[in-house]
This record gives sequence, C-alpha cells and structure tokens, in this order.
Amino acid sequence: GQNIDQPTEMTATEGAIVQINCTYQTSGFNGLFWYQQHAGEAPTFLSYNVLDGLEEKGRFSSFLSRSKGYSYLLLKELQMKDSASYLCAVTWVDYKLSFGAGTTVTVRA
Amino acid sequence: NAGVMQNPRHLVRRRGQEARLRCSPMKGHSHVYWYRQLPEEGLKFMVYLQKENIIDESGMPKERFSAEFPKEGPSILRIQQVVRGDSAAYFCASSPMPGNEKLFFGSGTQLSVL
Repeated sequence: GQNIDQPTEMTATEGAIVQINCTYQTSGFNGLFWYQQHAGEAPTFLSYNVLDGLEEKGRFSSFLSRSKGYSYLLLKELQMKDSASYLCAVTWVDYKLSFGAGTTVTVRA
Repeated sequence: NAGVMQNPRHLVRRRGQEARLRCSPMKGHSHVYWYRQLPEEGLKFMVYLQKENIIDESGMPKERFSAEFPKEGPSILRIQQVVRGDSAAYFCASSPMPGNEKLFFGSGTQLSVL
C-alpha cells in the first residue's frame, strides 16, 4: 500500500497562515510533490522535496521529514485566489507517482 | 516550448462507444503518466509509459482500458465500450526522466458518458 493521508478540508481568513499536513509510508519513498489545483483545471506544480528540511518559495513553503514520513505545505499571507485543492504526491523508487485525496482550502474575507 | 497538450478537452460518448484520449508530452519528455479524477476526489494513477513501452499499468482496469505511447505521435488512452462510471477527468503528465521534479500536467480531458 502507498497510503498518503492529508486533511480533507481547511478554512482560513484572508491574510492568515495555513499549514497542510501530509503523511505517507516511508518504505520505497523517493520524493514528495505539492500541487495546487483549482476546480476544473490541471494541477500546477508548487514544490518538490527530496531532502529533509524547509524550502521556501515566496508565500509558500514546504517541509519534509523522511524518517517520520511527514511533510507540510505552509501558505502565508493568504489571498482569496489561494482557495483551491492542494495535492500531496509521493514518488517512489519504482518511479510511480501517487497522490493523496487533496485538501480543499477555503479562504474567507 | 509548448506544455503538455491534451485533446479533446471535452469528450461526450454514449454507452458502448469508444473513447480515445490523446496526450502530447512536452518537448524532450519521454515519460508519460495517466491519471483519472472523479469529482471531489484525488488523482488516481492509471498507467506509466515510456516511448513504446508500458512500464506500470497497475492502476488500469483489466478490461476495456488500454494505453500506448508510440515512437511517433501522442500517447493514447483508449476506453472501449464506455459505461457511465467512466465519466471523469483524465489527466496526463510528462517528465524528461523518472523521478524528476519536472513533472507537468496537461489540462485534462473531461469524459462524459451519456
């Protein structure tokens, strides 16, 4: 199995911070993606983590702990346009890419 | 450099017909992944192909579904004798090599079976 777990929904206020957690089984792990997907559109790339630690890209940061099978995506200074589904995806050593069910983030004014 | 191109964007079929979904990867990308997404659900892996080879089809239904990625031309996902349960968004993604962070998605094909 390649269980990838993330919360179903999160709600936050414009200007706030939201952290989306993702856990996965560590066996066979290669790397972890975060994608953003607006309804009816294709997923767009946000980040890719292979090594432990935090990577920051503007308002978005992604963290990985390989030993704990844990990652999070941090969204800062939330804007209305950040309302979307955020997908955690894991690449495995056999090169398959598996997705979690996605976390729907709703930003309120 | 064009992105991953999928066509058609929308496809309507009646039960029992065949559906052909096309995916042209980005230039220089020889690895293609197909995913299916039902409303309110995540992306489900279907098949991973390299040029002229199926590497992993563990996510493909055993019957009615097939995929190819010929030496020339786009990757094709073919669904024979479609049923209403096949209605979904089908996305493909391409990469220059396996396990690479440069994995990009097409806009998807929305299949509706009447």
